[in-house]
Amino acid sequence: NAGVTQTPKFQVLKTGQSMTLQCAQDMNHNSMYWYRQDPGMGLRLIYYSASEGTTDKGEVPNGYNVSRLNKREFSLRLESAAPSQTSVYFCASSPGYGGTTEAFFGQGTRLTVV
Amino acid sequence: AQSVAQPEDQVNVAEGNPLTVKCTYSVSGNPYLFWYVQYPNRGLQFLLKYITGDNLVKGSYGFEAEFNKSQTSFHLKKPSALVSDSALYFCAVRDLHAGNNRKLIWGLGTSLAVNP
Repeated sequence: NAGVTQTPKFQVLKTGQSMTLQCAQDMNHNSMYWYRQDPGMGLRLIYYSASEGTTDKGEVPNGYNVSRLNKREFSLRLESAAPSQTSVYFCASSPGYGGTTEAFFGQGTRLTVV
Repeated sequence: AQSVAQPEDQVNVAEGNPLTVKCTYSVSGNPYLFWYVQYPNRGLQFLLKYITGDNLVKGSYGFEAEFNKSQTSFHLKKPSALVSDSALYFCAVRDLHAGNNRKLIWGLGTSLAVNP
């Protein structure tokens, strides 16, 4: 049982480049999330998808877009990367609403924008 | 404003001693509270949660947490620490603002170091 799988694990981008972070879960969860983790800032929610076909902004959505491709997959796109987007990105999923049930996290993507 | 605080950036304990990682919260209404652990270079893992019922909640790896409504606290505890418990611990509370009920409010994390 793989759980939540994120790709890639590491990435270096030049300023202005674009990329898509992929996330897939095999637990038949309804809700999926993208977080970023920065030193001293804790976890900050970028976007979430409560169910297939819906997406909503979190605390820090600027510079990002998401797609809930199907129930399993939730991708995060950086259209024009900036150094401020250097961070560790985590995808997570949960069976129901994120505030009532536990979330399962991927191993993270360490992104550096130079 | 709704918030959660972890007042200690770092906690150091000796192996075999009891450990406590503190969390306090501020929400209107009944809180849903969570503890997660993050080992180095890994994603977060769920430890335990309080929704309702018994104030003492037992979770994974021998951890437990005590919900104290009067002190608005949800401290994580373990009777006997292991070196392998060394990790980053996050407390989180459900955001109860209307329209935000899918989100968690996260503490900034407490780094636990268990010394042999």
